[in-house]
Order: sequence, then structure tokens, then C-alpha cells
Amino acid sequence: AQKITQTQPGMFVQEKEAVTLDCTYDTSDQSYGLFWYKQPSSGEMIFLIYQGSYDEQNATEGRYSLNFQKARKSANLVISASQLGDSAMYFCAMRIDTGANSKLTFGKGITLSVRP
Amino acid sequence: DTGVSQDPRHKITKRGQNVTFRCDPISEHNRLYWYRQTLGQGPEFLTYFQNEAQLEKSRLLSDRFSAERPKGSFSTLEIQRTEQGDSAMYLCASSPRGGIADTQYFGPGTRLTVL
Repeated sequence: AQKITQTQPGMFVQEKEAVTLDCTYDTSDQSYGLFWYKQPSSGEMIFLIYQGSYDEQNATEGRYSLNFQKARKSANLVISASQLGDSAMYFCAMRIDTGANSKLTFGKGITLSVRP
Repeated sequence: DTGVSQDPRHKITKRGQNVTFRCDPISEHNRLYWYRQTLGQGPEFLTYFQNEAQLEKSRLLSDRFSAERPKGSFSTLEIQRTEQGDSAMYLCASSPRGGIADTQYFGPGTRLTVL
């Protein structure tokens, strides 16, 4: 079974600085996808970025980049130039595509607070 | 482009009552998922549909839970004889086609409180 681990306590970052949110995963499958979602206090899960296990380059989406280290089974999210609106919960998730199974497995999340 | 919508956003009920939630996916998305999120945890998978077929159910989905997706469009999640342990946020997501890279887009959730 797959597992996502997010163990950082609440994170704080100064506005305009960069921050790294850690995620490690565990799976015996070779083919999988890794996702990061943002959940503001309103509750909606907002998709940020995706990395496939066979992708050779780290994914980037605007201010978000994913530091993918396959051998270490880590998929850390880097947010550059933090903004006040980045304050939220951040979840790392994984999917293994085995036929009909298409669910996402989530970690417990990390709280990020951006200070002005 | 309309996103995933869920109704109601909040529901307060007494233990033992039945409740039903609705989810309208992004149009033309043929996959629809239900997740449950309790305080301080990430979402946990409950069930998913491809079109109108329910393809997988989690062990979390006890006999008191039932989900449907008639005609492959909107979906309903019903909880019968609610218990206090059912209090959670119920999230719905949809995706176009499945596969590893297929992104699931989430709705705003329905927050259930069982008194």
C-alpha cells in the first residue's frame, strides 16, 4: 500500500521569501504520480502541481516547483516569492494507476503561514 | 468554465437522521470521486464512479453509506442513521479520463456536523 508522509510542524515564511514544504512517499510501484494541493480556510482543495515518476525534469507551475528526488522518495514543494494569499494547508498526494484504481492517497498536510 | 459544485455547503443533523449530499462535476468529466476529511487529516478516499458505474468503494464506506451517479452526471452521497463519528468534510472531485497524470478537481465540500 502507498503512504504519504508530511511531518513538518506549522511553517512560517516572510512575504516574498521562498519556502520548501517536505513530502516523502512510500510505494513499491514503479509508475505513479505525485500531486500537491492547497486548501485555504474556505475548504476547497486547489490543484497546484503534478510530477510523474518517469518525468526526468522537475515540474514547475508559475511560483511552484517540485523538487523530485526519486531515489530518496521525496517530492518537496517549493514556493518562491511567497504571498500573503499562500497562507493555507498544503497536501501532498500520490496516485498509482493499477487498472480501475484511480484514488489519491493524501498526507496529513502542512500549515503554512506567510508573515507580512 | 464552471468548477465542481456541492450542495449543501453545511449540514447540521441529529444522530440517527439520514442526510444526502449532492455533487455536480465539471461537465464532460466522466470520473467522479468522493472523499472524507476529518479535522487535522488529509482527505480519505470513499468511492468513485466512471460515468454511472461505481468502480471502487473504500472499507470506510460502511453499509450506512450509499452513493449513486444516475446517468453519469451528478452524484449523491447518502448517509443513513448518522453517527457522531460521521462528522467531517465530504469532498467531491471530478477528472476527465483517469490515468496517472489525470488531475482531480475538487469542489468546496459539504461540512457535516452530527449532534
